[in-house]
Amino acid sequence: DIQMTQSPASLSASLGETVTIECRASEDIYNGLAWYQQKPGKSPQLLIYNANSLHTGVPSRFSGSGSGTQYSLKINSLQSEDVASYFCQQYYDYPYTFGAGTKLELK
Amino acid sequence: EVQLVESGGGLVQPGRSLKLSCAASGFTFSNYYMAWVRQAPKKGLEWVATISTSGSRTYYPDSVKGRFTISRDNAKSSLYLQMNSLKSEDTATYYCARHRTIAARYFDYWGQGVMVTVSS
Repeated sequence: DIQMTQSPASLSASLGETVTIECRASEDIYNGLAWYQQKPGKSPQLLIYNANSLHTGVPSRFSGSGSGTQYSLKINSLQSEDVASYFCQQYYDYPYTFGAGTKLELK
Repeated sequence: EVQLVESGGGLVQPGRSLKLSCAASGFTFSNYYMAWVRQAPKKGLEWVATISTSGSRTYYPDSVKGRFTISRDNAKSSLYLQMNSLKSEDTATYYCARHRTIAARYFDYWGQGVMVTVSS
């Protein structure tokens, strides 16, 4: 199975700040990576797919990058509504696996 | 608008069975691979099952293989998850999710989730 190591586990940032979340795969996943946002008590919502493509309706302050085994999610100009948990997921191979998540809070 | 609405959750004893349902609307259900993803309380996400458009192909992780069965009824735009021999570690919120395409199987829409508690 492909292991997804996500960091940091938690993050505290101020409004307007830029934050970056990292995800490392245990082998090359050839950009088969998605990022999801999950607000408290809600279901996950797709943000990014194919490592760097923005899902419909997602604000442009979210961006994804990376290749091979290293990927990242960047949030520019942090807004209060961005407080949530974020998960990466590889869909290059079965079984599909997720990172453990990053909990983003406001400082 | 894409909508996925799960039902059928609840409290069940270890070793017993439970069947979840997901009613889909707002898209042509028969054109999409579908899946179940679960999340244990305060934990991360775990993919549970995927089914092809026709239902002829199914995929599971080792953690549920042989115990869970995913199925679909395209005429009713419905997805199902039959869970047998339930264990305490199956306690989780179960989400119905749509795969975007056959080639890129990320999950582009999710239901609101249904809670399953396995306890005596």
